[in-house]
Amino acid sequence: QLQVQESGPGLVRPSETLSLTCTVSGGPLNSSRYYWAWIRQPPGEGLEWIGSIYYSGSTYYNPSLKSRVTVSRDTSKNQFSLNLDSVTAADTAVYYCAAGAFSFGVSGYFEYFQHWGQGTLVTAAS
Amino acid sequence: DIQMTQSPSSLSASVGDRVFITCRASQSITSCLNWYQQKPGKAPQLLIYAVSLLQSGAPSRFSGSGSGPDFTLTISSLQREDFATYYCQQTCRIPTTFGQGTKLELK
Repeated sequence: QLQVQESGPGLVRPSETLSLTCTVSGGPLNSSRYYWAWIRQPPGEGLEWIGSIYYSGSTYYNPSLKSRVTVSRDTSKNQFSLNLDSVTAADTAVYYCAAGAFSFGVSGYFEYFQHWGQGTLVTAAS
Repeated sequence: DIQMTQSPSSLSASVGDRVFITCRASQSITSCLNWYQQKPGKAPQLLIYAVSLLQSGAPSRFSGSGSGPDFTLTISSLQREDFATYYCQQTCRIPTTFGQGTKLELK
């Protein structure tokens, strides 16, 4: 069973960079069966997709965060990472990493977040 | 961005009830619609993908239906463990977006 787990600091100072790592177990990061994503959830609010990285190495970001976000991977460590620059209090949230999967059917091509980490709360405060 | 609007935002129901949660997309989407369940303090869990396909391990009392722009999550007979918040998600266009959530509470 594939599992993903977030790690990183729980407190980041405003204007600094938030850096998180997601460790993948139960399968290789370079599997073509999955893509890898970061999603966040401010306290008491809904879910916001941050960005994803695919088997090919291609990355896609939410336009609302694109100027500040980098998602990268280290296949030798079976990890992928999130960097979010110039954080403010508005970036305080539970950050989830997830393994996305694909499905092909007569109706087309579908993506969905199949496996989620437990989440890690990151607070942006001085 | 495609906005996903769920209704109702909250819902009180009893064990054994049949429950419907709807999700409307602001733009035309096809079948790239997923549903997740989230319990307090936990990560979301995938229930339904591609409108109506049940994720492995999800109970069969959950079902999905609809076509763009309107989709429905149905719980045929509520169990105590189903009281949670439910989110729809579209993956037709980048950025993928989620509905605001529907909180299902015990009456």
